[in-house]
Amino acid sequence: QKEVEQNSGPLSVPEGAIASLNCTYSDRGSQSFFWYRQYSGKSPELIMSIYSNGDKEDGRFTAQLNKASQYVSLLIRDSQPSDSATYLCAPHILTGGGNKLTFGTGTQLKVEL
Amino acid sequence: KAGVTQTPRYLIKTRGQQVTLSCSPISGHRSVSWYQQTPGQGLQFLFEYFSETQRNKGNFPGRFSGRQFSNSRSEMNVSTLELGDSALYLCATAYEPRYEQFFGPGTRLTVL
Repeated sequence: QKEVEQNSGPLSVPEGAIASLNCTYSDRGSQSFFWYRQYSGKSPELIMSIYSNGDKEDGRFTAQLNKASQYVSLLIRDSQPSDSATYLCAPHILTGGGNKLTFGTGTQLKVEL
Repeated sequence: KAGVTQTPRYLIKTRGQQVTLSCSPISGHRSVSWYQQTPGQGLQFLFEYFSETQRNKGNFPGRFSGRQFSNSRSEMNVSTLELGDSALYLCATAYEPRYEQFFGPGTRLTVL
């Protein structure tokens, strides 16, 4: 079982629709969860952090966390063509006295006009 | 605040050579992590440094090493380069106790 699993996509949604990105993780020691957006040829950019169960909203983005189900998701409302990118889920764990992010392989999102 | 900087941005080396990559963190960030990104394996954790000490290490051979200086700048070194080392090398820095990591632009390494 992979540590972090995401559908690779591509996930295609029309402009203005809601895009739903999902992620499951295996390490129950994960305490914080991050979503990164990566455009082709660029480095990952942090877009959302979530630390406790429930929903967290920031602008058009909503992150949802369910630690019991080991599941975290990202909703993007009113999707725009500029949202077309790969979205990486990254649970954080404290290990060996330090920090570690384990990344999923990412979901490619395409927002179509 | 200035972001994370990495140098060089692009590098071409031949098999058997060694390479040193540099990362300057955001001011105040003392945690520096290094990742390797390839199309086949995705983003993989190499190691993390904090206050000049390696706190965490990923599953990479000993050819991959790093260090951190007193000003939190970090370098990673890859010796005896192999073709499979061709990748985008990313560093990410964080301000503890928050664990959000911010990435630099990366160094694109090509091994011929």
